[in-house]
Amino acid sequence: DAKTTQPNSMESNEEEPVHLPCNHSTISGTDYIHWYRQLPSQGPEYVIHGLTSNVNNRMASLAIAEDRKSSTLILHRATLRDAAVYYCILGAGKSTFGDGTTLTVKP
Amino acid sequence: DTEVTQTPKHLVMGMTNKKSLKCEQHMGHRAMYWYKQKAKKPPELMFVYSYEKLSINESVPSRFSPECPNSSLLNLHLHALQPEDSALYLCASSRLNGVTYGYTFGSGTRLTVV
Repeated sequence: DAKTTQPNSMESNEEEPVHLPCNHSTISGTDYIHWYRQLPSQGPEYVIHGLTSNVNNRMASLAIAEDRKSSTLILHRATLRDAAVYYCILGAGKSTFGDGTTLTVKP
Repeated sequence: DTEVTQTPKHLVMGMTNKKSLKCEQHMGHRAMYWYKQKAKKPPELMFVYSYEKLSINESVPSRFSPECPNSSLLNLHLHALQPEDSALYLCASSRLNGVTYGYTFGSGTRLTVV
């Protein structure tokens, strides 16, 4: 499986944008990039995914580098409810979760 | 229905007990998964079922026995567990190619082995 690397933790102020990076230098051409988040005592929740082009949905935006070796999840206005562990995963057939980024949102 | 439902939410069992975890989805997904998650760690894949057939077993000990009786239901049978098996057990489902379409996770069963 291709590996992902994310910072252990990040902090943001409420109502400010947050950029969560993910490196995946060994990504293959068919690997989709997925982002999930996990709130305490809950299962992971799908956030967004993409292959090559940048993607937007109601929760977030996903910016994918041209060489696809990195991507960035963008939360446009962080709220306290966005505090969670964010996982970037990719693979074909089965997906391995990396350690994720713990996002803290300060009021 | 866009949910994966797991029961029970909490389970305490002794090392000699036999118990089962249940997972149900009605989204028509043909791939279902069991993950194990220890505290402050990412989920670890245990088993994958595709079209009700076991397709991936990540070298899980035989005291964990999965079963997929139909396309909506996934069970995990537990027997002779150890205290270190205490964890959050997550079920997920997806269209057959989960990496293309994404996974839907349940809220998990918090298992404590005493």
